Amino acid sequence: EADIYQTPRYLVIGTGKKITLECSQTMGHDKMYWYQQDPGMELHLIHYSYGVNSTEKGDLSSESTVSRIRTEHFPLTLESARPSHTSQYLCASSDRQGYGEKLFFGSGTQLSVL
Amino acid sequence: SQQGEEDPQALSIQEGENATMNCSYKTSINNLQWYRQNSGRGLVHLILIRSNEREKHSGRLRVTLDTSKKSSSLLITASRAADTASYFCATFYGNNRLAFGKGNQVVVIP
Repeated sequence: EADIYQTPRYLVIGTGKKITLECSQTMGHDKMYWYQQDPGMELHLIHYSYGVNSTEKGDLSSESTVSRIRTEHFPLTLESARPSHTSQYLCASSDRQGYGEKLFFGSGTQLSVL
Repeated sequence: SQQGEEDPQALSIQEGENATMNCSYKTSINNLQWYRQNSGRGLVHLILIRSNEREKHSGRLRVTLDTSKKSSSLLITASRAADTASYFCATFYGNNRLAFGKGNQVVVIP
């Protein structure tokens, strides 16, 4: 059982609202990731972090932002949600072990923007 | 950029049968991983095979890797209803990031 938690599990909001998706892990992992996934589709990396105060954009352009002030916490923020942001957002973490590492995933946040 | 692409995309089998799915990738790799995702949940790591390995087993799972063809296969033997899920292969690429393929949806009918 992975010790990585995402809240909320489901979120339905109106267009223009600001939201923050929470992700926390208790494994002391340096690396954390946010993936976006539409139903039945592949995962797209939107943000990642190698440690405190480190954040990078992923491959899929995203209007969201992230922060990494504490090792265990990697929240994702949308300043003004739009229907195009409707998707599942998956947070993951891993040890800094080079190319042999595996990712631990949270259960995801299913976001619906009306 | 997508590094892996699974084939077939969807598979429906009877309980007790074997399920095989394939994955191809584009660049040279150090290892390839397989993950399982139950509907609406996060992914769970199943198995990792290194580039110098050709076959690896874990319980009812068997993974093969052919680096000359840039492909991998995942075999689930004696499938169970609980194996119903989507299965993704993943490889590392630039800056140590993990990229996932499109996934295979497997339905095991009791």
